Amino acid sequence: DAGVIQSPRHEVTEMGQEVTLRCKPISGHDYLFWYRQTMMRGLELLIYFNNNVPIDDSGMPEDRFSAKMPNASFSTLKIQPSEPRDSAVYFCASSPRGENTEAFFGQGTRLTVV
Amino acid sequence: AQSVTQLGSHVSVSEGALVLLRCNYSSSVPPYLFWYVQYPNQGLQLLLKYTSAATLVKGINGFEAEFKKSETSFHLTKPSAHMSDAAEYFCAVGSGGSYIPTFGRGTSLIVHP
Repeated sequence: DAGVIQSPRHEVTEMGQEVTLRCKPISGHDYLFWYRQTMMRGLELLIYFNNNVPIDDSGMPEDRFSAKMPNASFSTLKIQPSEPRDSAVYFCASSPRGENTEAFFGQGTRLTVV
Repeated sequence: AQSVTQLGSHVSVSEGALVLLRCNYSSSVPPYLFWYVQYPNQGLQLLLKYTSAATLVKGINGFEAEFKKSETSFHLTKPSAHMSDAAEYFCAVGSGGSYIPTFGRGTSLIVHP
């Protein structure tokens, strides 16, 4: 398996524009997570899905953020409109069912909003 | 509720010296514990995990960690640091029924020649 695949790896956009980040989890994994990493706040869990259903989105910072998982092999994180403070590295991770199973991370998308 | 505290945002060692990265956890039920490593411009990858089979856990790249329930700790060690060990290290905890790991703030390991 190629692992968790995220695209794009880098995104530079202007303030106010819509940004869509994409993720393909590992086949057969039940859980999908979106994290945001910044120097100030570290690694934050934004939202996670179980079998394509959003379970907890309490980490989503504002209504400008939304995430979908239309099927088991694809998820998106959208920011509309984007702001400079959204600049961060966004990670997608997936994991199989099981209490002691680890999360497998993608390479991340580095978002810069100017 | 579960939480993780990593003591020291930066740890600096000389090449060949002992590496010790500290992690303390809080969990209301027996925990599952993980150490991840993040190299520059990459995602996190698993170093090792504790699943209650043995208190001393060996991982990749010569790292190991010991689970100490009495101290609620899961410190990461390596006898001899290598330049290639320079990275960010994250401790994470998950607990019974929760498949969602909680991550610490991370510790940056700096290795001097």
